[in-house]
Amino acid sequence: GENVEQHPSTLSVQEGDSAVIKCTYSDSASNYFPWYKQELGKRPQLIIDIRSNVGEKKDQRIAVTLNKTAKHFSLHITETQPEDSAVYFCAASRPGGGADGLTFGKGTHLIIQP
Amino acid sequence: DTEVTQTPKHLVMGMTNKKSLKCEQHMGHRAMYWYKQKAKKPPELMFVYSYEKLSINESVPSRFSPECPNSSLLNLHLHALQPEDSALYLCASSPGLAGGGEQYFGPGTRLTVT
Repeated sequence: GENVEQHPSTLSVQEGDSAVIKCTYSDSASNYFPWYKQELGKRPQLIIDIRSNVGEKKDQRIAVTLNKTAKHFSLHITETQPEDSAVYFCAASRPGGGADGLTFGKGTHLIIQP
Repeated sequence: DTEVTQTPKHLVMGMTNKKSLKCEQHMGHRAMYWYKQKAKKPPELMFVYSYEKLSINESVPSRFSPECPNSSLLNLHLHALQPEDSALYLCASSPGLAGGGEQYFGPGTRLTVT
């Protein structure tokens, strides 16, 4: 089955700086890579996703890059703000669209220092 | 309606009780999921229903029994649980086979088994 590795487990950055979280996946058939943000006591919230036919996607301060050859993808957050503090999970799924569950990385606790 | 809802928010049950968790979505999604999430861990896939048929069962103990009465509803029946089953149970939905992999989570049911 799919295995997703995520690093680092904790990331502390100064407010206004950039944060980068990296994930690798094992199944070359995976073609969908979402990122979720989970604040304490709340549901995972989909913040951005990328499909294997695209190398990069950006939404305001958030961007995701995908390297299919190396089987890794990254989340980039620029101009970090206190409300960015949360646990971030990367995930991967195989073709079949919504019929497959997601395999999650172990999560990154992002701490924004004021 | 763009939300996945879950009831109850909190549930405390003894090891001999029978209870059910409920999930509902009105986004026309055709795939629905149950995940289990322990503290400081990523969600773990339990069951996938695609077009109201169970398509994935990740070797979950039989004390967890899923049911999909129709395309909008998903239940998880609980019986004879163990204290280690205490966790946040998340429901999610996605458009299904034709719609891609994006999954939207409900707020979860916080289950405590005493």
